[in-house]
Amino acid sequence: DTVMTQSPDSLAVSLGERATINCKSSQSILYSSDNKNYLAWYQQKPGQPPKLLISWASTRESGVPDRFSGSGSATDFTLTVNSLQAEDVAVYYCQQYYFTPHTFGQGTKLEIK
Amino acid sequence: QVQLVQSGAEVKKPGASVKVSCKVSGYTFTNYYIHWVRQAPGQGLEWMGIINPSGGRASYAQKFQGRVTMTRDTSASTVHLELSSLRSEDTAMYYCTRAPAPIGPFDIWGQGTLVTVSS
Repeated sequence: DTVMTQSPDSLAVSLGERATINCKSSQSILYSSDNKNYLAWYQQKPGQPPKLLISWASTRESGVPDRFSGSGSATDFTLTVNSLQAEDVAVYYCQQYYFTPHTFGQGTKLEIK
Repeated sequence: QVQLVQSGAEVKKPGASVKVSCKVSGYTFTNYYIHWVRQAPGQGLEWMGIINPSGGRASYAQKFQGRVTMTRDTSASTVHLELSSLRSEDTAMYYCTRAPAPIGPFDIWGQGTLVTVSS
């Protein structure tokens, strides 16, 4: 199975500051035929299902604030939250959806400092 | 609007089976694949498998092979997940979620169905 490893496991950032979450895949999820990275980021708030924030490593979903951005390629990816807001407190998961099983990272808990 | 609405919470005894349903609306049922993902209490997300509502073909994570069955009812725009030989470790929130292709991001999620396995 493709192992997705996130770092850190938890993160406390002051309001208005930047949060950075990393995700590393045990194998490349860059598909050469279309040059796309099969990597998504989800946000999960307590008592809610996950919400898709970013697909294809860097494509923000409609309605997602532009303070959220994704970057990286092949095996190393980053989710950046600029100017942290109180409503961004959540657990964030990366996921690869190229290989079966479609594995998730263990999650990163983002809190306010 | 697009919705995936799941059936209600279940409490089952060890060794029993459970069937969870996921009714979709707001889009053409056969145009999107449905995945099932589960989340044990306080834990992360675990992919269980995928079903193509168009032909009904399903593919399961090896971990669940032999215990899981995914089916669909096109007339009701509903997908079902059945998990058998339940054990306490199967206690979790079960989510259905859709994707535009077999390998694609999961863009809309159901609200989740809590399955509790307890004697």
